[in-house]
Amino acid sequence: GESVGLHLPTLSVQEGDNSIINCAYSNSASDYFIWYKQESGKGPQFIIDIRSNMDKRQGQRVTVLLNKTVKHLSLQIAATQPGDSAVYFCAELDSGYSTLTFGKGTMLLVSP
Amino acid sequence: DSGVTQTPKHLITATGQRVTLRCSPRSGDLSVYWYQQSLDQGLQFLIQYYNGEERAKGNILERFSAQQFPDLHSELNLSSLELGDSALYFCASSVDPGEGGELFFGEGSRLTVL
Repeated sequence: GESVGLHLPTLSVQEGDNSIINCAYSNSASDYFIWYKQESGKGPQFIIDIRSNMDKRQGQRVTVLLNKTVKHLSLQIAATQPGDSAVYFCAELDSGYSTLTFGKGTMLLVSP
Repeated sequence: DSGVTQTPKHLITATGQRVTLRCSPRSGDLSVYWYQQSLDQGLQFLIQYYNGEERAKGNILERFSAQQFPDLHSELNLSSLELGDSALYFCASSVDPGEGGELFFGEGSRLTVL
């Protein structure tokens, strides 16, 4: 596969650790947020979303936290696995415009 | 498999040329989006179509154009290509942008301009 970026912040963890990926968003009018995962050579894939009327949402092994006061979003991955290695993007939506704006991405590297 | 199909997967061309990238959305999805992904710019929104009509425009250059056809497939046309246009171009689709932002992405078209 091909690398999607050589200048991304990188988080390196050991298999089994919990990972936390952070994202600062810019638009205070954004009311919907999504985390995407992009594996090498593939398109972004939806992981989990959260609306602005919530501050936490859990999925399978993933949790998203939203702090609207400081415009901060985080993705927590429990018991990280080598298959979780990918670039993770947060995206924000201002529903008045109906288009997603993506953050720069964070590369997660999981060592066995 | 997201259900979104993009062709070609790889394309190499020269500066000044024109190329067309094609996208077939997921069955039933009316909205199509084009994004450009380069190493230093991340995923940049270019343009969105909904049921054949342009819905939103992002950072799309005047040398680029797109359209969505009655069968809902979309094409992105890139002309007068420059070295800096080398990037991954993604198409995504959704049922209705008003339902939220979950987009289903294709695997991208890798454009290399020499």
